[in-house]
Amino acid sequence: QVQLQESGPGLVKPSGTLSLTCSVSGASISSGNWWSWVRQSPEKGLEWIGEIHHSGTTNYNPSLKSRITISVDKSKNQFSVNLSSVTPADTAVYYCARVEQMLGEYYFEYWGQGTLVTVSS
Amino acid sequence: QSVLTQPPSASGTPGQRVTISCSGSSSNIGSTSANWYQILPGTVPKLLIHSNNQRPSGVPDRFSGSRSGTSASLAISGLQSEDEADYFCAAWDASLHGWVFGGGTRLTVL
Repeated sequence: QVQLQESGPGLVKPSGTLSLTCSVSGASISSGNWWSWVRQSPEKGLEWIGEIHHSGTTNYNPSLKSRITISVDKSKNQFSVNLSSVTPADTAVYYCARVEQMLGEYYFEYWGQGTLVTVSS
Repeated sequence: QSVLTQPPSASGTPGQRVTISCSGSSSNIGSTSANWYQILPGTVPKLLIHSNNQRPSGVPDRFSGSRSGTSASLAISGLQSEDEADYFCAAWDASLHGWVFGGGTRLTVL
């Protein structure tokens, strides 16, 4: 059973950096899948942040690209996101998710439980 | 403003059939495929439909999906009170080179 678990600070100060890690169990992060970050807020609904392949290749949301870094640690079976220069608009529940592929089609199937990150002084 | 357009709300009575639409463009739904997610209060997103019309194991056959051109639809038949939730569509956008979501539809079972 594939399981994902987010961890990181629940409170970040404005202009600071939001850092979260997703720990993967029941699957290898080197499996060939893409691994994503998605956030949810009442204002914006679901918003894709970015994704990484175990090779290190990344894709980022163009609207966040200047502030995001996603990395992978194969030795720990984890991947992480750093979002810099945060504002209260970055307050959201942050999810990590695995992208599945079937016959050339892609979709998110496994999700972490989500972690609330609040940006406030 | 979401790239994919959904109605903000929908409603129906128990036993009815409800349809939720998701309008996209040639760079997302029109050329890739639509996926649908259900978010029950206090829970994580659950995959309902992938690849326009494929239902993962464990999802009741009351849920079905379809695509026509650059739009997709989620249909829920035999509506039940436990279907009251938020529903989101998603697709890969080839122009943006990233995933895009709809704004979500809150389904109320009257």
